Amino acid sequence: DQQVKQNSPSLSVQEGRISILNCDYTNSMFDYFLWYKKYPAEGPTFLISISSIKDKNEDGRFTVFLNKSAKHLSLHIVPSQPGDSAVYFCAASPRSGAGSYQLTFGKGTKLSVIP
Amino acid sequence: NAGVMQNPRHLVRRRGQEARLRCSPMKGHSHVYWYRQLPEEGLKFMVYLQKENIIDESGMPKERFSAEFPKEGPSILRIQQVVRGDSAAYFCASSPGGAGGGMNTEAFFGQGTRLTVV
Repeated sequence: DQQVKQNSPSLSVQEGRISILNCDYTNSMFDYFLWYKKYPAEGPTFLISISSIKDKNEDGRFTVFLNKSAKHLSLHIVPSQPGDSAVYFCAASPRSGAGSYQLTFGKGTKLSVIP
Repeated sequence: NAGVMQNPRHLVRRRGQEARLRCSPMKGHSHVYWYRQLPEEGLKFMVYLQKENIIDESGMPKERFSAEFPKEGPSILRIQQVVRGDSAAYFCASSPGGAGGGMNTEAFFGQGTRLTVV
């Protein structure tokens, strides 16, 4: 039973355009969401997060949007750069209480930015 | 400021052997988490430890797997009598202790140990 789903295994985008990566979740207890970026043979690197009290968080070229009613979040990268080519993982957890230290990951979306 | 250090980076074991994976957390971090990534899958939580204590091992297989985080030295994930299905990338993450020290405060991951069982 996948509680965090990234339905697109891969995405190709032209350099300079917007990349939109999507993530859906099923567990209503999740109220903190993170995006990680991962290069081959490396560990995941934290990118950006959002708490359920917000619907948008922005950090430079990266913006995460959260739609709680739809249990959906998305990561926007604009403009996309070739160095953004990596696998992006969506992760979720309860903010506090039981399981707050335990991240549930999606399977990842491989982003390719074409020069 | 060294990050989370995992070694070895690559480990090959024959079926039935033991695998020992080591993780040194970032300086000042006292919380360690182990995750496993099977091929084509996301990372799956295995165990959460603080110094000398296992806080949550709900993600650990019931047999053959154990973890420790001693007072001195790195955290160790130990897999006894390895089988082919144990082949995966094993990632360790660490976070600071105290208030707000939970995993969701942007814990740092190591580069992983890729275990191959032949």
